[in-house]
Amino acid sequence: QSALTQPRSVSGSPGQSVTISCTGSSSDIGTWNYVSWFQQHPDKAPKLLIFDVTTRPSGVPDRFSGSKSGNTASLTISGLRAEDEADYYCCSYAGNQIFWLFGGGTRLTVL
Amino acid sequence: QITLKESGPTLVKPTQTLTLTCSLSGFSVSTRGVGVGWIRQPPGRALEWLAVSFWDDDEHYSPSLKSRLTITKDTSKNQVVLVINNMDPADTATYFCVHKAYGSPRTPKFDFWGQGALVTVSS
Repeated sequence: QSALTQPRSVSGSPGQSVTISCTGSSSDIGTWNYVSWFQQHPDKAPKLLIFDVTTRPSGVPDRFSGSKSGNTASLTISGLRAEDEADYYCCSYAGNQIFWLFGGGTRLTVL
Repeated sequence: QITLKESGPTLVKPTQTLTLTCSLSGFSVSTRGVGVGWIRQPPGRALEWLAVSFWDDDEHYSPSLKSRLTITKDTSKNQVVLVINNMDPADTATYFCVHKAYGSPRTPKFDFWGQGALVTVSS
């Protein structure tokens, strides 16, 4: 099975908004509303930001939002802050045979 | 609060078997609706989901590694163990165990992560 496709890197200035895409197929993102997003700072464990496409766990700022259109899910970070500089990963349910797939990760640079 | 901690060897030789243990605190492996999974990350590379064991004994494996993986629960010790056979240098990675939160078994709601355990495969 192939990993979900994410841009290798994105960047933005403080205060701006950035969107990270996660492209899958009709077998995963296109069919199921089970997409999560994770943030990972260097040498740290990932942190859950979004689950079920749009839901934020308690404690995650509303600057982080998720959406989906067709086979592509997106994470939007508004009001960029320096501490948002990190790697971001999407993960989707992909049916009972594959179960879960991760994206290749996106490095966010805050300029 | 919920915590998970991975333990196991830091160095294994090619062809050897790796056994990793995830010790759980703040919840039970038998807690209704939850799961415990394993995810790995080679140095400088992306996350890769490996396996999950649910409260009701349901299990799932990554198809690409299924033939080499076994996940088991030890209810008495409140631990989840992952065994990987025939280790290869390409298996060098940080291995994370994760708490999959209550809800649909399909949603990858990994809300608590262990600190990770770096395993190097080298002769």
